[in-house]
Amino acid sequence: EPEVTQTPSHQVTQMGQEVILRCVPISNHLYFYWYRQILGQKVEFLVSFYNNEISEKSEIFDDQFSVERPDGSNFTLKIRSTKLEDSAMYFCASTHASAAFYYTFGSGTRLTVV
Amino acid sequence: AQTVTQSQPEMSVQEAETVTLSCTYDTSENNYYLFWYKQPPSRQMILVIRQEAYKQQNATENRFSVNFQKAAKSFSLKISDSQLGDTAMYFCAFTSGGNEKLTFGTGTRLTIIP
Repeated sequence: EPEVTQTPSHQVTQMGQEVILRCVPISNHLYFYWYRQILGQKVEFLVSFYNNEISEKSEIFDDQFSVERPDGSNFTLKIRSTKLEDSAMYFCASTHASAAFYYTFGSGTRLTVV
Repeated sequence: AQTVTQSQPEMSVQEAETVTLSCTYDTSENNYYLFWYKQPPSRQMILVIRQEAYKQQNATENRFSVNFQKAAKSFSLKISDSQLGDTAMYFCAFTSGGNEKLTFGTGTRLTIIP
């Protein structure tokens, strides 16, 4: 079964550093998403992306965040200057245009900011 | 805005018994999609079951079934013949479709006791 692949699985970074989280969505999916889950809390929507532009973003997705699809396969989330409160699990997801409710999640990247 | 409420932060049940997890939601949409996701200690998001609101028949997947009450905006998950591997966090989620974001509840931590 096709998978959404996320790398790295765990990243530790110093506060103030930039990090890039990478995702490879399923090849024929057109809609891409990032979600965040702070330890012990619920999963929160960050941003959705379609046709090379952001289609929706949450209040969490402020100027320190950006997303990009640099080539035909990768979908990245960049955090410019990490804060301690950015420590969380970050999930990438994708859906197919004609099967919008068939969300597929990646296995997540655990980001630890120290 | 849609909201999803899971009123049971924790539940436990003996192995082989049946357990029901509750979920209610609020929306003004007539058509939408509901999901239950399982999150084991690995923190991966695993789809358990999905329900399309326009379908009156309750979805089932092996030991997992839902009780979808559209008028009451209720979407409970029943796990029959519970197994130790069912121990996990369970999240209820909602989307209005059209490749919109998922909105998650706060989760229920389920423990299966041997």
